[in-house]
Amino acid sequence: EVRLVESGGLVVQPGGSLRLSCAASGFTFVDYTMHWVRQAPGRGLEWVSLITWNGNTTYYADSVKGRFTISRDNSKNSLYLQMNNLKTDDTALYYCVKDILDSSWYYFDSWGQGTLVTVSS
Amino acid sequence: HSVLTQPPSASGTPGQRVTISCSGSSSNIGDNSVNWYQHLPGTAPKLLMYSDNQRPSGVPDRFSGSKSGTSASLAISGLQSEDEADYYCATWDDSLHGWVFGGGTKLTVL
Repeated sequence: EVRLVESGGLVVQPGGSLRLSCAASGFTFVDYTMHWVRQAPGRGLEWVSLITWNGNTTYYADSVKGRFTISRDNSKNSLYLQMNNLKTDDTALYYCVKDILDSSWYYFDSWGQGTLVTVSS
Repeated sequence: HSVLTQPPSASGTPGQRVTISCSGSSSNIGDNSVNWYQHLPGTAPKLLMYSDNQRPSGVPDRFSGSKSGTSASLAISGLQSEDEADYYCATWDDSLHGWVFGGGTKLTVL
C-alpha cells in the first residue's frame, strides 16, 4: 500500500523559512516523479512543484519560483520542500503527491494527508 | 484566478444528472489530457477520471468525462448524496511548464 506522510508544517513569521518532508513507502520511490500540491484555507488546490525520479528536472509554480526548492533523497525514500522568504499567501495545507503514467498520460494517483503551514506575525 | 475555469458551484437532486465544465486554452486543455479529482473535506483528494475519459478502478460508471477543443466536462449521473464534494479539473500547461488546476466546483446534492 502506498503511503505518503508529510511533516514539518509549523507557524512561521513572514520572511521566515521552513523545510517540509515527505516519507514515502509501499512503492519503488526512485521510479516516480513527485509533487507538492497545496490548498490555502477556503481556496482550491494549487500545484506547487515537481521533481523527476533522479532529481535532474524540477518545475515550480510562478507563485513560488525563486523562493521554494524541491529535492529528494532516493536512498531515504524522501521528498523535501525548502520554503524561504515565506509570505502570508503561502499559508496552506501542503500535500505530498505521487504521479503515474497510464494510457500515455500522467495523473496524481496517491496523496498524503498534508502538513499545515501557517505564515503569520 | 485559476488558469482553468470551473463554475464555483453545482447542484442536483438524487438521481439527477449533473455536468461540471472546465475551460482552458490551447496551451493546456487544447494540447493535453485532463484529469478530474474529487475532494471531500478533511480527506486527501481522490482521482476520479484521467486522460479525459478514463475511470480508475473503483470509480462507478455513473462518472464520465469528455473533452472537446479547449474545454472538458465531468458528468455525474444518478446523483447520490455521497457525491457531495469539491471537484477539480487539472492538466499540464505547456506555456507555464507546470500543472494547473481549475478553481474547483462545490457540488451540493439537494
